[in-house]
Amino acid sequence: GAGVSQSPSNKVTEKGKDVELRCDPISGHTALYWYRQRLGQGLEFLIYFQGNSAPDKSGLPSDRFSAERTGESVSTLTIQRTQQEDSAVYLCASSLPTPRRQFFGPGTRLTVL
Amino acid sequence: TQLLEQSPQFLSIQEGENLTVYCNSSSVFSSLQWYRQEPGEGPVLLVTVVTGGEVKKLKRLTFQFGDARKDSSLHITAAQPGDTGLYLCAGGDTNAGKSTFGDGTTLTVKP
Repeated sequence: GAGVSQSPSNKVTEKGKDVELRCDPISGHTALYWYRQRLGQGLEFLIYFQGNSAPDKSGLPSDRFSAERTGESVSTLTIQRTQQEDSAVYLCASSLPTPRRQFFGPGTRLTVL
Repeated sequence: TQLLEQSPQFLSIQEGENLTVYCNSSSVFSSLQWYRQEPGEGPVLLVTVVTGGEVKKLKRLTFQFGDARKDSSLHITAAQPGDTGLYLCAGGDTNAGKSTFGDGTTLTVKP
């Protein structure tokens, strides 16, 4: 596609449920990034993929968070047993290996009740 | 841990005024990016600065990277309502994939 797409755009879930967020990067972009953004704040790095391997997953907040990527295509971020503090916008970005200009998707707004 | 501090956190001005926002760190970055984000959308890259002391101009926006590559500023001349948004700086590391983001400056330009 023309840009990075994310789905769903909005997700409301109950505390304790699992959620799966999807990111479709720009075709040909080998690098993919997940960030979390709380209301009115900057972006918090979660995980970075180069191809389907994740050389840096240092930002994942807990073992309830995991992410996978299929080849150099779609990625899913899974949050298990969601908590209210997980409520945020989850942003995905993709880039070429160099230069590492990141193109962002519109985000998924997650609300945990 | 590399941290970026942005100031001011909020800025509300009248159309036509000038403004400067700052991005400071105690760490050296190989590059620094400025993004603008509108509600409901992802950040959009405005500029990347790489060389210490570098100055880049983008129409009414002037970006400067500090000599020591630890800080940067964004100056907007004659601000317009369309400049309203969240301005984010981010530091990059050529050896790592991720960028470290500041908490942003929320700019409101009133007509």
